[in-house]
Amino acid sequence: SQQGEEDPQALSIQEGENATMNCSYKTSINNLQWYRQNSGRGLVHLILIRSNEREKHSGRLRVTLDTSKKSSSLLITASRAADTASYFCATDARYKLIFGSGTRLLVRP
Amino acid sequence: SQTIHQWPATLVQPVGSPLSLECTVEGTSNPNLYWYRQAAGRGLQLLFYSVGIGQISSEVPQNLSASRPQDRQFILSSKKLLLSDSGFYLCAWGIAAITDTQYFGPGTRLTVL
Repeated sequence: SQQGEEDPQALSIQEGENATMNCSYKTSINNLQWYRQNSGRGLVHLILIRSNEREKHSGRLRVTLDTSKKSSSLLITASRAADTASYFCATDARYKLIFGSGTRLLVRP
Repeated sequence: SQTIHQWPATLVQPVGSPLSLECTVEGTSNPNLYWYRQAAGRGLQLLFYSVGIGQISSEVPQNLSASRPQDRQFILSSKKLLLSDSGFYLCAWGIAAITDTQYFGPGTRLTVL
């Protein structure tokens, strides 16, 4: 069964706007990760947040984790056309990572 | 710095033909290695992982097999491809726990006709 699921499935915004993506999961986790995938390419690791952390920043990225609601959000501020990609959350399930189906982000110039 | 290579980048194979995809990692020792498959517009499905030479764990029983003949080499194989084997195959490596950060290769696009 799916562990993490992203919402929305697709998001289209204007350059300069903020983009927010959400991830919900079902069972308890030790950590949650966000990855980016450009079309036809491999995944790039963005941020890992552990279960005892509530918020983490990396450049224009801000990730929050609410373990009581079993959810996480990824915020990209001041988006750029180069941020156009699919974004995946991955949660740990015992001995492996489980990836959601992703949010496809389109940033219009 | 560490790098991960996959080849070939694209592959078109007939049904029933064999398959061999190769993944190599540079700049690190004794990495955990992973093979994933991604269907179009979907997330990643873990196929195999390895924590050491000759140690392979299979996630989904299917038409594929994996081998790790050297510390930084991971090979995905099939004796006879099926149409359903088409997809985007990604190799990844990690150092810490299996559920920690993973670093992905560029992927191989496999089309079985």
